Amino acid sequence: GENVEQHPSTLSVQEGDSAVIKCTYSDSASNYFPWYKQELGKGPQLIIDIRSNVGEKKDQRIAVTLNKTAKHFSLHITETQPEDSAVYFCAASMSTGGFKTIFGAGTRLFVKA
Amino acid sequence: DAGVTQSPTHLIKTRGQHVTLRCSPISGHKSVSWYQQVLGQGPQFIFQYYEKEERGRGNFPDRFSARQFPNYSSELNVNALLLGDSALYLCASSSVPGVQETQYFGPGTRLLVL
Repeated sequence: GENVEQHPSTLSVQEGDSAVIKCTYSDSASNYFPWYKQELGKGPQLIIDIRSNVGEKKDQRIAVTLNKTAKHFSLHITETQPEDSAVYFCAASMSTGGFKTIFGAGTRLFVKA
Repeated sequence: DAGVTQSPTHLIKTRGQHVTLRCSPISGHKSVSWYQQVLGQGPQFIFQYYEKEERGRGNFPDRFSARQFPNYSSELNVNALLLGDSALYLCASSSVPGVQETQYFGPGTRLLVL
């Protein structure tokens, strides 16, 4: 079945350093890849997304890359700040057998001041 | 503008009972999706609805059902509750149900089954 693998499960960086989270997906029909940030007690909040016809997208300190051949996409956060500390989820959306979105297991990011 | 709203925020039930969770999408959004998030894991897709019709279904038993109303709000129903149904239930809305449509999540309903 469809699957999204996310690594690492935990990431600790020093304030100002960069953080990279990587995901792979199994269903080649996937064509939309959002990233969400979830803080304690809240629902996931979209931070950036990328569509299958684009290889890279950047929004200030956040960038996402997509390699459809390898079924691999990554989130890059530069100049990390303590408020970036949260759980980050990647996801892949597809229309195989109906619309659905599959999430990765999450990465808990700690940014140390 | 108000975001996605869900009610109740918290709920405690016992095994075998039934529960109904409610969701109101962002104004103008016509598609609603439901997810189950067990502690420490990513959200698991349950259903997507658009124009009162089911457009997608995840791997959940028939104890889980949902419906969407003419005003695009939605209910998720779970029958014969099990301990393993304890989770955060998230609702997300989008303007249309297309695969590449951005989904916006509500704060969730935290369900505890004792």
